[in-house]
Amino acid sequence: KAGVTQTPRYLIKTRGQQVTLSCSPISGHRSVSWYQQTPGQGLQFLFEYFSETQRNKGNFPGRFSGRQFSNSRSEMNVSTLELGDSALYLCASSFSSLTSGGYEQYFGPGTRLTVT
Amino acid sequence: AQSVTQLDSQVPVFEEAPVELRCNYSSSVSVYLFWYVQYPNQGLQLLLKYLSGSTLVKGINGFEAEFNKSQTSFHLRKPSVHISDTAEYFCAVKTGANNLFFGTGTRLTVIP
Repeated sequence: KAGVTQTPRYLIKTRGQQVTLSCSPISGHRSVSWYQQTPGQGLQFLFEYFSETQRNKGNFPGRFSGRQFSNSRSEMNVSTLELGDSALYLCASSFSSLTSGGYEQYFGPGTRLTVT
Repeated sequence: AQSVTQLDSQVPVFEEAPVELRCNYSSSVSVYLFWYVQYPNQGLQLLLKYLSGSTLVKGINGFEAEFNKSQTSFHLRKPSVHISDTAEYFCAVKTGANNLFFGTGTRLTVIP
């Protein structure tokens, strides 16, 4: 099976712009979670989508949003970028079923966003 | 609320020596526990997980971890490390919701 893919891998944006990141989960996985990784704050949960619905949300401002499509692919959007949004954004997919051991999350390689 | 503490931010160890990376968690409910490894410029790879059952779990690349409920710990061990084990290691917990709470990471450096 192909792993989790994220596009683009690298992105440079200017303060005030917006950005959209894409994530394609492992085939058959219906849950997609997003995480932000920075040297100062570490790995922080942004939100989770399951069957096109946001199921869980972390403590981030409303500038961070996401969506999931019927094929389980997910996008996250950050509007009005700030310097502090520079980070590695990681997407993770899971089957999301405990009986099948689906509590494992499989991570993509990430998108490195630099805001200047 | 859940929290994860990784007591050592950096651990240097000589090649073929044993290593233990420490992880303690705090939670008022039952947890599921994970160790992930991150190599430079890559995402996270699952090393091992504890969901239930035997408290000693074995993972990939010769790693193992022991769940200790009374000490709320989930330390990662390897009896003999290789240069290729140099990476950052993250301990994580999950409760009912499908999101992970991560520790701050431990950078393992294997010295030839």
